[in-house]
Amino acid sequence: EAGVTQFPSHSVIEKGQTVTLRCDPISGHDNLYWYRRVMGKEIKFLLHFVKESKQDESGMPNNRFLAERTGGTYSTLKVQPAELEDSGVYFCASSRGLVETQYFGPGTRLLVL
Amino acid sequence: QKEVEQNSGPLSVPEGAIASLNCTYSDRGSQSFFWYRQYSGKSPELIMSIYSNGDKEDGRFTAQLNKASQYVSLLIRDSQPSDSATYLCAVPWMDSSYKLIFGSGTRLLVRP
Repeated sequence: EAGVTQFPSHSVIEKGQTVTLRCDPISGHDNLYWYRRVMGKEIKFLLHFVKESKQDESGMPNNRFLAERTGGTYSTLKVQPAELEDSGVYFCASSRGLVETQYFGPGTRLLVL
Repeated sequence: QKEVEQNSGPLSVPEGAIASLNCTYSDRGSQSFFWYRQYSGKSPELIMSIYSNGDKEDGRFTAQLNKASQYVSLLIRDSQPSDSATYLCAVPWMDSSYKLIFGSGTRLLVRP
């Protein structure tokens, strides 16, 4: 069974540019989560999808972040326009059921210059 | 605000020793507790989960939970250099999303 995959693995952009991160969850996993770790801080929740619906987006920092999950499969997280403080590692995780194990992807390392 | 606290380390132990990693949490209502291991540049990997007070053993790993003290620990027996990683304590928020609240992680170094 393939794990959670994320693309790209690294992204370096300039302040004001747009970046789109992609996450492909494990097949059959209805729950998809985005988390972020900024330098020196703990991993923090951004949002949660159940299939194609946003269940909880309480962790999204501001309206420069837009997440979608097309057809309940892969998800994208777009940052527009990017700011310096958006730099960090963005993790995606998926789980089959709500209270089941969350499996994490390798993360996308975003650097905004 | 739910919080999970860990000593950032690094915790350095010699090969073959017992490594003890600690975590405290703020929400008395928490019911589930997870330990993830993260190698540098890799994804966090679940290695232990515990739900009841007491000890839970799995191979060289033992998780210990004390809900009265709001404390959960991870013991690694016969530590190996391959155990060198960051260990993350995570507690799910028992709401509609079951989102994980993470500690900052403890970096473990096992010296050969």
